[in-house]
Amino acid sequence: DVKVTQSSRYLVKRTGEKVFLECVQDMDHENMFWYRQDPGLGLRLIYFSYDVKMKEKGDIPEGYSVSREKKERFSLILESASTNQTSMYLCASSYPGPGYEQYFGPGTRLTVT
Amino acid sequence: ELKVEQNPLFLSMQEGKNYTIYCNYSTTSDRLYWYRQDPGKSLESLFVLLSNGAVKQEGRLMASLDTKARLSTLHITAAVHDLSATYFCAVGVSGTYKYIFGTGTRLKVLA
Repeated sequence: DVKVTQSSRYLVKRTGEKVFLECVQDMDHENMFWYRQDPGLGLRLIYFSYDVKMKEKGDIPEGYSVSREKKERFSLILESASTNQTSMYLCASSYPGPGYEQYFGPGTRLTVT
Repeated sequence: ELKVEQNPLFLSMQEGKNYTIYCNYSTTSDRLYWYRQDPGKSLESLFVLLSNGAVKQEGRLMASLDTKARLSTLHITAAVHDLSATYFCAVGVSGTYKYIFGTGTRLKVLA
């Protein structure tokens, strides 16, 4: 079974803090994604990566950066957390190609106070 | 810009009834996915649809794709309480690795 794990299920941070969210997958997937999920808005893509050290902006990259130093690990970084970044963050991975669905991690619920 | 619309957003139905969730998208795509999310849980893949006329079935759920109409449907047959969840469709952006998700349909099946 594909396993995608995220470093924390719940996280509370203060405004202005630097926040790291880590995601690890064990299936040798090339593609990895970070989404945020907000009520009524569905999932919105923040960044994705199709190879080590390769990244592309999604639809809402402002305020976020990412790092992929190893194939299995994809990190999301909030350089200076703000209250409007309070959300559920979901990591996903997949093989490249249209026939492959994404596998999602359990999510990290981040609260910024 | 690719937009994905699901309807209805909320659906409350009696056990044993049939219903259909619709997923419309605005531009050409080469792939469409359906996912299920239980409360407090992550997303689980249900179906992958890649070609016009594709139909897939798993238990009481059947998904279909009409690429000419840019429409996918998720049909529920004889609903049971265990199907209560939020269902998302996701459409692949042609020529990229990106996916655009619909806002989800929250389904509640009443016993």
